[in-house]
Amino acid sequence: AQTVTQSQPEMSVQEAETVTLSCTYDTSENNYYLFWYKQPPSRQMILVIRQEAYKQQNATENRFSVNFQKAAKSFSLKISDSQLGDTAMYFCAFLGGLSGGGADGLTFGKGTHLIIQP
Amino acid sequence: NAGVTQTPKFQVLKTGQSMTLQCAQDMNHEYMSWYRQDPGMGLRLIHYSVGAGITDQGEVPNGYNVSRSTTEDFPLRLLSAAPSQTSVYFCASSGTGQGAGQPQHFGDGTRLSIL
Repeated sequence: AQTVTQSQPEMSVQEAETVTLSCTYDTSENNYYLFWYKQPPSRQMILVIRQEAYKQQNATENRFSVNFQKAAKSFSLKISDSQLGDTAMYFCAFLGGLSGGGADGLTFGKGTHLIIQP
Repeated sequence: NAGVTQTPKFQVLKTGQSMTLQCAQDMNHEYMSWYRQDPGMGLRLIHYSVGAGITDQGEVPNGYNVSRSTTEDFPLRLLSAAPSQTSVYFCASSGTGQGAGQPQHFGDGTRLSIL
């Protein structure tokens, strides 16, 4: 079974700073997907970014980018120019089992609570 | 677009009671799933379905039943609620099959308390 580890339970930065959230995972698979989800106090699960393991290029979405190190099984999220609205729980998630249709669902880390201070 | 709709948003039950959490999606997604979220933990998969008439167990299936009679609906049943089932429940769906790695669309969650 896959495991996803987020080693930072909570982080706090000043508005406009850059912050990096770490995520490591353990798998024996070669083809898989990785995701970062944001969960604000409203409880919604919002997709931030997605990375395909067979793509070497790191995914980016506006102020959000990832550093995907496949050999190290590391998938960190960088948030540039942080904003108050970025305050939320952030979850790293793994999707494998693609040869079987990937039906096993997402495996989540325990999350990092990110606080953006004004 | 409604997306994934979960009802109710909040529910309080007594131990031993039964109830059904409803989930509906209007995106014609084949894959649907239920997760639970407990404090200090990420979401964990309870049950999933890859299409109408097909369901399977996830990581934490005990105490829950599911069925999938239509593409749109995927209800989660608690037959005899226990305090350990106090949690926030999320329904999710995705299209074109999980094999394409499509992101899952989540409902807004149901906060369930078992007294």
